Amino acid sequence: EVQLLESGGGLVQPGGSLRLSCAASGFTFTTYAMSWVRQAPGKGLEWVSGISNSGGSTYYADSVKGRFTISRDNSKNTVYLQMSSLRAEDTALYYCAKGSGSSFFLFDYWGQGTLVTVSS
Amino acid sequence: EIVLTQSPGTLSLSPGERATLSCRASQSVSSSYLAWYQQKPGQAPRLLIYGASSRATGIPDRISGSGSGTDFTLTISRLEPEDFAVYCCQHYGSSPWTFGQGTKVEI
Repeated sequence: EVQLLESGGGLVQPGGSLRLSCAASGFTFTTYAMSWVRQAPGKGLEWVSGISNSGGSTYYADSVKGRFTISRDNSKNTVYLQMSSLRAEDTALYYCAKGSGSSFFLFDYWGQGTLVTVSS
Repeated sequence: EIVLTQSPGTLSLSPGERATLSCRASQSVSSSYLAWYQQKPGQAPRLLIYGASSRATGIPDRISGSGSGTDFTLTISRLEPEDFAVYCCQHYGSSPWTFGQGTKVEI
């Protein structure tokens, strides 16, 4: 059974930093791209960042480019999202999502999310 | 950037009725790289449809997708109690990979 378990969310002040983690199990982690997708309160889903299966290619939404860094540790089956210079508009539920076999950015499994709140 | 606009915002129906949800793209979606997801409160989103019309693993055949170019439709032929949820579309053909704002199907 595929499982994606996010952690690391919490309350942080504007300008602060936070690192999210997503521990994956139930599939061959090294085969698949992974992404982070967020959902602000009362809003739709927004793709944030993605990383290829090897970690050699990374992708970012314009809204987070230069502030967020995605990485993965294939020995630990874990993907990370390092967030810095956080803003109020980054407040959201952050989901970890697994890319499908046919496309990096078609998401066939999702975690339940970790909540990030940026507020003073 | 491809903007996906879903309509209606909310659909009020009863179990057993047919639901028809629309997703319109601001420009043509290449190779029908259009997916639909279901969201329920407190649960992980669930992939329903990919390639505009292919059902994901385990999705019942009462749920179907259709369309091409800029106009796509998700149809639930006979609503079951577990189908009342929010549905959103996504294009995954080119960066940035955007989602629609969602349609809520409520009783």
